[in-house]
Amino acid sequence: QVQLVESGGGLVKPGGSLRLSCAASGFSFSDDYMTWIRQAPGKGLEWVSYISSSGSTIYYADSVKGRFTISRDNAKNSLYLQMNSLRAEDTAVYYCARDARWYTFDYWGQGTLVTVSS
Amino acid sequence: QSALTQPASVSGSPGQSITISCTGTSSDVGSYNYVSWYQQHPGKAPKLMIYEVSNRPSGVSNRFSGSKSGNTASLTISGLQADDEADYYCSSYTSSSTPVFGGGTKLTVL
Repeated sequence: QVQLVESGGGLVKPGGSLRLSCAASGFSFSDDYMTWIRQAPGKGLEWVSYISSSGSTIYYADSVKGRFTISRDNAKNSLYLQMNSLRAEDTAVYYCARDARWYTFDYWGQGTLVTVSS
Repeated sequence: QSALTQPASVSGSPGQSITISCTGTSSDVGSYNYVSWYQQHPGKAPKLMIYEVSNRPSGVSNRFSGSKSGNTASLTISGLQADDEADYYCSSYTSSSTPVFGGGTKLTVL
């Protein structure tokens, strides 16, 4: 069955960096688009970034553009999110999700919590 | 891209039907049939309930249905059950080639 497992979250100081990973299994990862979505504590869902199956097309939300970098390693069935210059407002649970075309997110990981605080 | 507009909360009694609206603009909901709905129970990851306005993924109850008129999409849940109590989010493809979510609606089953 499809599994997405995020890791790499934790406590980081403002201005710091963190790299999230998402290990995928149960589907043909290299054929599928992937996305990061976050949810601040007690708040709604916010789309963060998208990457195409080959990695040739990437999009970012304005709120993270220039600070976050999405990437993937199809040989390792893994998705990544490099987060730099972190701010308090980046505090959230970060989910990786499979994009079954046109931003239909059909499978989600369990999420990893990122806390940005001094 | 501004978030889609959803009511903060809706409620209904077991067995009743409720509808959650999701209002966007001509740059998102109004122009594309790529509206999805997600159910999220506390502490859990969201679950896809409806995609492309009105399609149900395999395994989702036919008590859940979706529709769209103009810039507003809707999720209807019939025969409300206690386990339907959750947060619901809509999302839409946009003219920026990125998605946008609604602010979420808390459904209470009385």
